[in-house]
Amino acid sequence: GDKVKQSPSALSLQEGTNSALRCNFSIAATTVQWFLQNPRGSLINLFYLVPGTKENGRLKSAFDSKESYSTLHIRDAQLEDSGTYFCAAEVYAGAKLTFGGGTRLTVRP
Amino acid sequence: EAAVTQSPRNKVAVTGGKVTLSCNQTNNHNNMYWYRQDTGHGLRLIHYSYGAGSTEKGDIPDGYKASRPSQENFSLILELATPSQTSVYFCASGARDTGNTLYFGEGSRLIVV
Repeated sequence: GDKVKQSPSALSLQEGTNSALRCNFSIAATTVQWFLQNPRGSLINLFYLVPGTKENGRLKSAFDSKESYSTLHIRDAQLEDSGTYFCAAEVYAGAKLTFGGGTRLTVRP
Repeated sequence: EAAVTQSPRNKVAVTGGKVTLSCNQTNNHNNMYWYRQDTGHGLRLIHYSYGAGSTEKGDIPDGYKASRPSQENFSLILELATPSQTSVYFCASGARDTGNTLYFGEGSRLIVV
């Protein structure tokens, strides 16, 4: 089965609204990264997390290693937030990353 | 910010031919990775490296070789390309002292006919 499972697989948001993406792990993740793949195909690193939370502008992410999940909250969604969001987990620092299947986000005007 | 450059960006190859995808990073990162991205599968790890001279098998290494001749360069080699290797390939680099945050190249689109 999937070691890193993302939900939902697709999401449509009205501009200005809020939402949360989730990542569940069936591996003992010690660190998590979140990426945005923009419509041009470029992969941009959003967050690197050890257990805890981080915030950057309208984005906030949390990682709970004991409950094996991570979330990405988007506040006041903008059109440029559209793209596919991936989470990825490491079992130990410096190890290979295992990616989830992604959440495709569309922000509507 | 890390600069990761892939070449070629687009390639059409014939079945049975040899393909080399190259990756260069300029920030002295220890770790480098090759992923492929296909619809319905997300990003899957093919090979990775912890430094010059090192290559490790990822989750889907069959049909691929890798070479890390220097800290800056990491190549993915398809000795006998097959149509099932048609995909978009991404190279990434990361440094352990920054928590292995990954920086990706722009991708290489390979079509095997």
